Amino acid sequence: ETGVTQSPTHLIKTRGQQVTLRCSSQSGHNTVSWYQQALGQGPQFIFQYYREEENGRGNFPPRFSGLQFPNYSSELNVNALELDDSALYLCASSLEGFNQPQHFGDGTRLSIL
Amino acid sequence: QKEVEQNSGPLSVPEGAIASLNCTYSDRGSQSFFWYRQYSGKSPELIMSIYSNGDKEDGRFTAQLNKASQYVSLLIRDSQPSDSATYLCAVNIFTGRRALTFGSGTRLQVQP
Repeated sequence: ETGVTQSPTHLIKTRGQQVTLRCSSQSGHNTVSWYQQALGQGPQFIFQYYREEENGRGNFPPRFSGLQFPNYSSELNVNALELDDSALYLCASSLEGFNQPQHFGDGTRLSIL
Repeated sequence: QKEVEQNSGPLSVPEGAIASLNCTYSDRGSQSFFWYRQYSGKSPELIMSIYSNGDKEDGRFTAQLNKASQYVSLLIRDSQPSDSATYLCAVNIFTGRRALTFGSGTRLQVQP
């Protein structure tokens, strides 16, 4: 069984640039959620995708956007990068169902200079 | 008031002791509760899930849930140095979506 995979592992960008992060869900999982984790904090929910539609969004501005593809993989796009966007970006996948546990990938460490 | 609260620690216990980690949450409608372990520089790893009041045991780990008091706890028996990590409490707060709300985590140090 293949787990959740994310790419790239690390990324360095400058303010104002745009970035795309990618996630492949665990085999059989059709729901993908994205989280941002700042140093010393718990992950913060960005948004969730189910059946290629956004299925809920946290308190993040519209410059954070995403996609889910028919194979359940997903992308997180961030435009107009700001210094505060420096964080670990985590993708989690789960089966359909409200109480299903979410399993995380290894994350992408994004640094904004 | 934060939706999910944890003591940041560090919680220091000797090897072989029981480590007790606690978490409180604010939304009485919460339905599912999870504990994740996160080693420094790594991603969260699911170790326990609990959905109904009472205890749930899995190996050296026991999760306890009390919905009336709005707390969930994690006990680690026979603590090992390899258990040293940050433990994140996550709650599925019902808002029509399946997002997890996390606490800030408790750092556990197991002293050899």
